[in-house]
Amino acid sequence: GDSVTQMEGPVTLSEEAFLTINCTYTATGYPSLFWYVQYPGEGLQLLLKATKADDKGSNKGFEATYRKETTSFHLEKGSVQVSDSAVYFCALGPNQAGTALIFGKGTTLSVSS
Amino acid sequence: DGGITQSPKYLFRKEGQNVTLSCEQNLNHDAMYWYRQDPGQGLRLIYYSQIVNDFQKGDIAEGYSVSREKKESFPLTVTSAQKNPTAFYLCASSLRQGGTEAFFGQGTRLTVV
Repeated sequence: GDSVTQMEGPVTLSEEAFLTINCTYTATGYPSLFWYVQYPGEGLQLLLKATKADDKGSNKGFEATYRKETTSFHLEKGSVQVSDSAVYFCALGPNQAGTALIFGKGTTLSVSS
Repeated sequence: DGGITQSPKYLFRKEGQNVTLSCEQNLNHDAMYWYRQDPGQGLRLIYYSQIVNDFQKGDIAEGYSVSREKKESFPLTVTSAQKNPTAFYLCASSLRQGGTEAFFGQGTRLTVV
């Protein structure tokens, strides 16, 4: 079945460092792809999305490109801030009725000043 | 403001008692979902619903029950048959099922003692 695999954390960075969180997927057809962020004790917030191959989603300095040839959707940010410390989830949305988003296990990011 | 409201934020129950978690949305979304979150395991789907009076089991439905009598409401009951009910529960909704993004509530942390 469809699945999402993302790199295990925690990821620990200094402020202004470059961030990459890897995400790969297995799916039939052409799913939509998402990155969500979760701050401590809260629900998930949509960070960015891409709905077809070669689309680039971007928001708040974060970017991810839908790569069908490598079945990947890696999250990147050029310069992280302490406020980016959170858990990041990659998710897959099969484009068919009767389904729900499928999430990776999450990657914890900790940024220190 | 439109959104999803989960209540309560924290819930304590004694072992053997059933407990119902509330989820209400005013986004006019057709689809609603319940996920369970445990440390290191990401989000696991419990139940989901496409329309009123219809719902489907997710990956870990055993020990849980739901109803969808109104479009805006999707309560989850954690029954005494659920072996390990202590967890963080997240409700979400989306315009439709499939590849559209989901919007999440703030979550309910259930502790069974």
